Amino acid sequence: DQQVKQNSPSLSVQEGRISILNCDYTNSMFDYFLWYKKYPAEGPTFLISISSIKDKNEDGRFTVFLNKSAKHLSLHIVPSQPGDSAVYFCAARRRNYGQNFVFGPGTRLSVLP
Amino acid sequence: KAGVTQTPRYLIKTRGQQVTLSCSPISGHRSVSWYQQTPGQGLQFLFEYFSETQRNKGNFPGRFSGRQFSNSRSEMNVSTLELGDSALYLCASSLFPAEGATSTDTQYFGPGTRLTVL
Repeated sequence: DQQVKQNSPSLSVQEGRISILNCDYTNSMFDYFLWYKKYPAEGPTFLISISSIKDKNEDGRFTVFLNKSAKHLSLHIVPSQPGDSAVYFCAARRRNYGQNFVFGPGTRLSVLP
Repeated sequence: KAGVTQTPRYLIKTRGQQVTLSCSPISGHRSVSWYQQTPGQGLQFLFEYFSETQRNKGNFPGRFSGRQFSNSRSEMNVSTLELGDSALYLCASSLFPAEGATSTDTQYFGPGTRLTVL
């Protein structure tokens, strides 16, 4: 039973345009969410996080939106750059479960020049 | 500041053998978590250590074990290796074990150890 879903395995976007990556979760006990970026042969790199008490968090070109009622979050990258091409993972943590994060399967983003 | 380091980076073993992987967290980080990444299952949580104590454990058999030392370095061990244990094993460190929705502590990952079981 996949508790964190990323239904788009891949996404292609033109350089300079907006990239929107989506993530859905099923467990209403999740209270903290993160996005990671992963290049081949490297470990995931932290991008941005959001706690369940907020509905938006922004850091430079990256913005994460959380819709708790829909159990949905999204990552917006504006403007997209070729260096953003990577696999993006959404991760969620349940309150009082420490650092036991549940990861989605990932979405491969390709930013075309 | 150095990142999370994992050794070795690559490892080839045969079925039935055992293996020990090592992780050195970012200086000052006291929480270490381990994950297994496979093409079919994605990233799955193995366990988390803080102050030399296991705080959380994922749904893996007892063949998978770990420990943390007083300097926060951690090792994980897999005994009686099976073909299905072939995976990328990732270690992540954070300052503290995060609690509650107001905590913003974040995990930082190492490059991983690629284990191949033949």
